[in-house]
Amino acid sequence: GNSVTQMEGPVTLSEEAFLTINCTYTATGYPSLFWYVQYPGEGLQLLLKATKADDKGSNKGFEATYRKETTSFHLEKGSVQVSDSAVYFCALSQEDRNSGYALNFGKGTSLLVTP
Amino acid sequence: ETGVTQSPTHLIKTRGQQVTLRCSSQSGHNTVSWYQQALGQGPQFIFQYYREEENGRGNFPPRFSGLQFPNYSSELNVNALELDDSALYLCASSLDWTGELFFGEGSRLTVL
Repeated sequence: GNSVTQMEGPVTLSEEAFLTINCTYTATGYPSLFWYVQYPGEGLQLLLKATKADDKGSNKGFEATYRKETTSFHLEKGSVQVSDSAVYFCALSQEDRNSGYALNFGKGTSLLVTP
Repeated sequence: ETGVTQSPTHLIKTRGQQVTLRCSSQSGHNTVSWYQQALGQGPQFIFQYYREEENGRGNFPPRFSGLQFPNYSSELNVNALELDDSALYLCASSLDWTGELFFGEGSRLTVL
């Protein structure tokens, strides 16, 4: 079945450091890939997405590229801020009229950015 | 524009009881999905409702059931609660069944 594996946290970085959170997936066909973020006390929010191979999703300085050859969708940011402290979830989806539109999430990676 | 709202935010039940969680979808959205998020884990798909019909279901037993109403709000019902049902239950709405999901803040259920 479909699954997502992401690096375990917590990840602690100093402000302005470079961030990479690794995500690899297993899926049949051609899933869409997502990064969601969960800030403390808030609901999950879509951070970025990519729907086909070699697509790059970007938002708020974060980027991720859909790599079919390595089945990866690593999240990167060049210079993190304290406000980026949150839990980040990698997810995939495939559309299926029988099973609906379900997201498969990784376990999440907690990021703490210190001043 | 009102976002996705869920109630109650927290509740405590005992094993064997039943619980109903409620979700109001974002204005204009006709699809609702429910997810269970255990502590330290990613959300797990329970089911999806599209225009009042169950449109897909994850690997959850039949004691997890749901409804979607004509105004597209939704309920999640869990019967015969077990200790492992303790989790954050997330509702998400979307414009249609393949659309971007907008999540509520969740209902945290504790089963004692």
